[in-house]
Amino acid sequence: DVKVTQSSRYLVKRTGEKVFLECVQDMDHENMFWYRQDPGLGLRLIYFSYDVKMKEKGDIPEGYSVSREKKERFSLILESASTNQTSMYLCASSSSFLDGNYSPLHFGNGTRLTVT
Amino acid sequence: KNQVEQSPQSLIILEGKNCTLQCNYTVSPFSNLRWYKQDTGRGPVSLTIMTFSENTKSNGRYTATLDADTKQSSLHITASQLSDSASYICVVSGINDYKLSFGAGTTVTVRA
Repeated sequence: DVKVTQSSRYLVKRTGEKVFLECVQDMDHENMFWYRQDPGLGLRLIYFSYDVKMKEKGDIPEGYSVSREKKERFSLILESASTNQTSMYLCASSSSFLDGNYSPLHFGNGTRLTVT
Repeated sequence: KNQVEQSPQSLIILEGKNCTLQCNYTVSPFSNLRWYKQDTGRGPVSLTIMTFSENTKSNGRYTATLDADTKQSSLHITASQLSDSASYICVVSGINDYKLSFGAGTTVTVRA
C-alpha cells in the first residue's frame, strides 16, 4: 500500500514565523501535491510537483513556497505565517498517467496548522 | 464559483439503509470523475475513478454513476454500516490531470 506520511499532525505557530510542513511518500511517485482544506470549501491546490526540483503553482500559491530536492519528499513552506493560513494541510502523491490508466491521489493524514 | 457542487451537504441514515449522494459539475472539457471517502482526522481515500465513457463503477457496497451529458454523478451506498460515517468528496478532472476540481463534500452519519 502507498504510504504518504506528513511529519506533524498538529502544529501551533505564531504570526510571522517561518513554517515547514514535510511530506514523504514511499511509492516512487512522480507527482506530489499540497492542498489546504477549509470547512465548506473543497480542497484547494497550493502547489504541485511532477518531478524533482520541478514545481508548479496551484490555485492559491500566495504566501507559500515549496521544495522538492528528492523524489520522495515534498516540503511546503510558509514564509511568514499569518492567521488566515490556519487550516488543514494535505499532501498527496500519484504516479503519472500512463497507458490510459488514471492514477488516484494518495493522501497523507493531514497537518492541522493553527497560527495565533 | 466552484465547478463541482455536491448535495446534500450532510445526511443522517440508519444502519442498514441505503443512501445516494449527488455531484453536479461544470468542468469542461471533462476527463474523469473520482469519488473519495474521508474519515474524520484522516486523508481522503479513493473509492472510484470513471472516465467519460463509463457510466457506472462499483467498489464493494459503493456504486458510482456518471452521466457525462448532463454532467452529473451519484454515489450510492448500499446497506450502510457505521464505518460508512465519513465525508464523501466528488473530484472532477479536466484535460490537465494535475489540476482537479473538488466538491465541498457530503458528510454522512450512520446511526445504529
